[in-house]
Amino acid sequence: AQKVTQAQTEISVVEKEDVTLDCVYETRDTTYYLFWYKQPPSGELVFLIRRNSFDEQNEISGRYSWNFQKSTSSFNFTITASQVVDSAVYFCALSDTGRRALTFGSGTRLQVQP
Amino acid sequence: DAGVIQSPRHEVTEMGQEVTLRCKPISGHNSLFWYRQTMMRGLELLIYFNNNVPIDDSGMPEDRFSAKMPNASFSTLKIQPSEPRDSAVYFCASTPGGAYEAFFGQGTRLTVV
Repeated sequence: AQKVTQAQTEISVVEKEDVTLDCVYETRDTTYYLFWYKQPPSGELVFLIRRNSFDEQNEISGRYSWNFQKSTSSFNFTITASQVVDSAVYFCALSDTGRRALTFGSGTRLQVQP
Repeated sequence: DAGVIQSPRHEVTEMGQEVTLRCKPISGHNSLFWYRQTMMRGLELLIYFNNNVPIDDSGMPEDRFSAKMPNASFSTLKIQPSEPRDSAVYFCASTPGGAYEAFFGQGTRLTVV
């Protein structure tokens, strides 16, 4: 069975601080995909990134970066120089080639204070 | 691209009534998913379709829930009869063939009183 754990329920930082959101996953599959989604206060779910299990290269997109470590089954997300607009709930998710549907973690609520 | 379109955005209904939620996936996407979000259970898959065929409905809570996808551009999720515990935000999402990232609609916030 698949499982995604986001142990941080809520994080509060002050603008311009760096913040890392943790994600740990469990799966028996050798081929799988990891995702991050953002849910702002307006409620929609916004896709941020997909990573497949064969690609452990870290990725950077502007102020966002992702660290995938297969050895520790982790896929952490870092926001550099956080901004108030980053305030949202962030979900980590997992799928495999057999079951295309996403298994979500419980989410981390990030509050960025001005 | 209009994205995934869900209707209605909000629905308030009385216990026992039938509720129908609607979804139009992104054109060309061949997989469609229904998810439910609640405080207690988070985001959970209800059902998903591939090429209009239901593939996995193991998340459908009980027989009161049913979903259809009569064609590639439309899906419905029906609850009959509705109960207060069905109150949640229901999301529809679609995925293009060969990809795995799902694109979500705005959601339908259902309140059953």
